[in-house]
Amino acid sequence: ETGVTQTPRHLVMGMTNKKSLKCEQHLGHNAMYWYKQSAKKPLELMFVYSLEERVENNSVPSRFSPECPNSSHLFLHLHTLQPEDSALYLCASSQGGSVNEQYFGPGTRLTVT
Amino acid sequence: GEDVEQSLFLSVREGDSSVINCTYTDSSSTYLYWYKQEPGAGLQLLTYIFSNMDMKQDQRLTVLLNKKDKHLSLRIADTQTGDSAIYFCAEIPFTGGGNKLTFGTGTQLKVEL
Repeated sequence: ETGVTQTPRHLVMGMTNKKSLKCEQHLGHNAMYWYKQSAKKPLELMFVYSLEERVENNSVPSRFSPECPNSSHLFLHLHTLQPEDSALYLCASSQGGSVNEQYFGPGTRLTVT
Repeated sequence: GEDVEQSLFLSVREGDSSVINCTYTDSSSTYLYWYKQEPGAGLQLLTYIFSNMDMKQDQRLTVLLNKKDKHLSLRIADTQTGDSAIYFCAEIPFTGGGNKLTFGTGTQLKVEL
């Protein structure tokens, strides 16, 4: 596997379910990100981890809980979501430096019913 | 304004040039980026420009930067059907810190035969 991978690619869950999204990067990067992409809205940065420490939490509701056990893996734990949380969730990684070129995974399409 | 702004749609004929425009928010942004998102895929960095440049050319892509007006454009020469995608401009606002990419809404480019 190369680049940034995300699993699952599609997820349908009820509002009372608990699920987790997984992201893995094989690029040796030291920063990882979660974004939410909704139709006709700008990409919303949710969380940033740098060297496994959370450095950004962009006013995200507590029903989203990130976890970064090591520099290659990032999880987004989901519980008691709302239908408006349905979106494409994108993971990205980057290596520190001024250009900050972020490499994105293909995303998880989440539908909350 | 507070948002990175892009028009939502652009339609061009194959072989013509496409110009995608963006107005960003922070004149102190050091790097400005263009990302491409093909259907069902994550974002892919196309090119970036450093803020002390007016223009950058990379094969069929030309980026123009007008710092005074905070205007960024991406020109694609000889547009092909494979260029059909959503194009996002992004900046790292000075106030946002080194990791916080702020994206526009994206411009959907449709290339017609």
